[in-house]
Amino acid sequence: GQQVMQIPQYQHVQEGEDFTTYCNSSTTLSNIQWYKQRPGGHPVFLIQLVKSGEVKKQKRLTFQFGEAKKNSSLHITATQTTDVGTYFCFISGTYKYIFGTGTRLKVLA
Amino acid sequence: DVKVTQSSRYLVKRTGEKVFLECVQDMDHENMFWYRQDPGLGLRLIYFSYDVKMKEKGDIPEGYSVSREKKERFSLILESASTNQTSMYLCASSSPGIWDRSEEQYFGPGTRLTVT
Repeated sequence: GQQVMQIPQYQHVQEGEDFTTYCNSSTTLSNIQWYKQRPGGHPVFLIQLVKSGEVKKQKRLTFQFGEAKKNSSLHITATQTTDVGTYFCFISGTYKYIFGTGTRLKVLA
Repeated sequence: DVKVTQSSRYLVKRTGEKVFLECVQDMDHENMFWYRQDPGLGLRLIYFSYDVKMKEKGDIPEGYSVSREKKERFSLILESASTNQTSMYLCASSSPGIWDRSEEQYFGPGTRLTVT
């Protein structure tokens, strides 16, 4: 079956450092979504990417969809303590819904 | 403000009990989902429903069943709870999307179920 690998599993950064999480699929994707889950909270939708090579920005967050549509990344510039949480990628297809295993980000003040 | 609610935040049940987890959404969404979340495993899909009385198995349906009698309500049933079903259960809903592209999912706050 389809697999979605997300790396790294954990990342500790000093406040102000950058952070990147990667999501890799074994098959070509039609789209990918990213979610953030704060500690003790539930996943909240961040963005959806659809086009090959697409890059979208939300303030300090940059999302990228690979040219081959098999991978994606989320980059945070100059992390803040409010960025703490777990970031999940999510892929979907016809009757198919798969979350990545998530990257847990800790930001040290 | 969109809302997905779940009947309990915390639940403790005994092995062998029948357990009902309820989820209600107020967004008139066609799609509803049940996931379980375990450390290191992310969110795994148990069942989903794309219409009233319709259901599809997800990746880990064994030991679970679901019911969707009304559009806004999706219930997860553990027929005979076991200790390996101790987990966080998350309900979500979404619009149907286009072709093979789904819309964003809105999650409830989760139910932390402990089976002793």
